[in-house]
Amino acid sequence: EAGVAQSPRYKIIEKRQSVAFWCNPISGHATLYWYQQILGQGPKLLIQFQNNGVVDDSQLPKDRFSAERLKGVDSTLKIQPAKLEDSAVYLCASSTRQGGNTEAFFGQGTRLTVV
Amino acid sequence: GNSVTQMEGPVTLSEEAFLTINCTYTATGYPSLFWYVQYPGEGLQLLLKATKADDKGSNKGFEATYRKETTSFHLEKGSVQVSDSAVYFCALSALAYSSASKIIFGSGTRLSIRP
Repeated sequence: EAGVAQSPRYKIIEKRQSVAFWCNPISGHATLYWYQQILGQGPKLLIQFQNNGVVDDSQLPKDRFSAERLKGVDSTLKIQPAKLEDSAVYLCASSTRQGGNTEAFFGQGTRLTVV
Repeated sequence: GNSVTQMEGPVTLSEEAFLTINCTYTATGYPSLFWYVQYPGEGLQLLLKATKADDKGSNKGFEATYRKETTSFHLEKGSVQVSDSAVYFCALSALAYSSASKIIFGSGTRLSIRP
């Protein structure tokens, strides 16, 4: 079974530029998550999708971050414009929906450096 | 709200020492509990899980028991190896309002094992 795929693995941009990350979840997984992991901290949930609908985006900085999940499969996360404090690893994860309380499977992440 | 608190690191041990990493949680209802591990340069991997009180999760010599009375899920291993050096994250998954799992992570504990 293929895992969660993310691209790119690394990205360096200047502040005020825009950037996009792509995620392909495990086939059949209805739930998709985007997490931000700042160096030395635990992952922080940015947005959670159930199929192509948003379940939780309460911690997404909506003035600069946006995400979509077209057709309930792939997802993209965009930052525009980027700030220095956006430097982090962006993790995508997916899980099945089996009555809730299921573990998530993570991709390798995209390491973003904003200079 | 739901939250996870785990012991601060870094933790440095000699090979074959006994390991305990403490984790406590706050949650409404009956969450599932997880330990994830992040090896250097890699994504998060599920190490073990427990879905109800008194369950014991185990994998690769690691164990953790879901203690509802103390709201704890401490990670233990009887004899650590150099290859166990990684960052360990305690996490919980509780039902969100839409019945999709919401996964919350602790801040992580960095473990280093000396040969």
